[in-house]
Amino acid sequence: AQRVTQPEKLLSVFKGAPVELKCNYSYSGSPELFWYVQYSRQRLQLLLRHISRESIKGFTADLNKGETSFHLKKPFAQEEDSAMYYCALNKGYSTLTFGKGTMLLVSP
Amino acid sequence: NAGVTQTPKFQVLKTGQSMTLQCAQDMNHEYMSWYRQDPGMGLRLIHYSVGAGITDQGEVPNGYNVSRSTTEDFPLRLLSAAPSQTSVYFCASSYDRRNTEAFFGQGTRLTVV
Repeated sequence: AQRVTQPEKLLSVFKGAPVELKCNYSYSGSPELFWYVQYSRQRLQLLLRHISRESIKGFTADLNKGETSFHLKKPFAQEEDSAMYYCALNKGYSTLTFGKGTMLLVSP
Repeated sequence: NAGVTQTPKFQVLKTGQSMTLQCAQDMNHEYMSWYRQDPGMGLRLIHYSVGAGITDQGEVPNGYNVSRSTTEDFPLRLLSAAPSQTSVYFCASSYDRRNTEAFFGQGTRLTVV
């Protein structure tokens, strides 16, 4: 069965500190993985997808098939990064299995 | 640029009442989905559609019906509301089945008393 695990409910860091939000998945096949972000009072929006291998707002994520992980990283956190982050796996037909989410709080 | 529009934004229902949550997209996307978001649970798929006239069940379909008569609209019907259906509901659309961005509506916060 497809599953996405985000082990941390809350991650609290100071501005300028490195950030790593963990995501592990289980999927038989070639996974399609995404990170979505939900800022306060805003709708979910795509942050990254593994196929793009790009950096968005300073965030990067690398798919590690050996460790079945897709951790989200940023070297220097900013206060505006505070949000709920969801790791998601495409189950097919563009439907998503989401992790339970990690709330990132960046303090000044 | 409307994108995905959900109505209403807030709703309070009494147990046993029925209602329809509306979702419309103006991007000509074939793929549409409904999710519910509960604290500590993330988002879970209720129903989805791969085109007009075609729908299928997701992870938590019980108590909900959907139909897709047009590409633009994908309403979600609660047949007989229960307190367990208190949640935030999100509609999403995508233009392809693989590796594409899902565009989300702003959500409907539903409370069943």
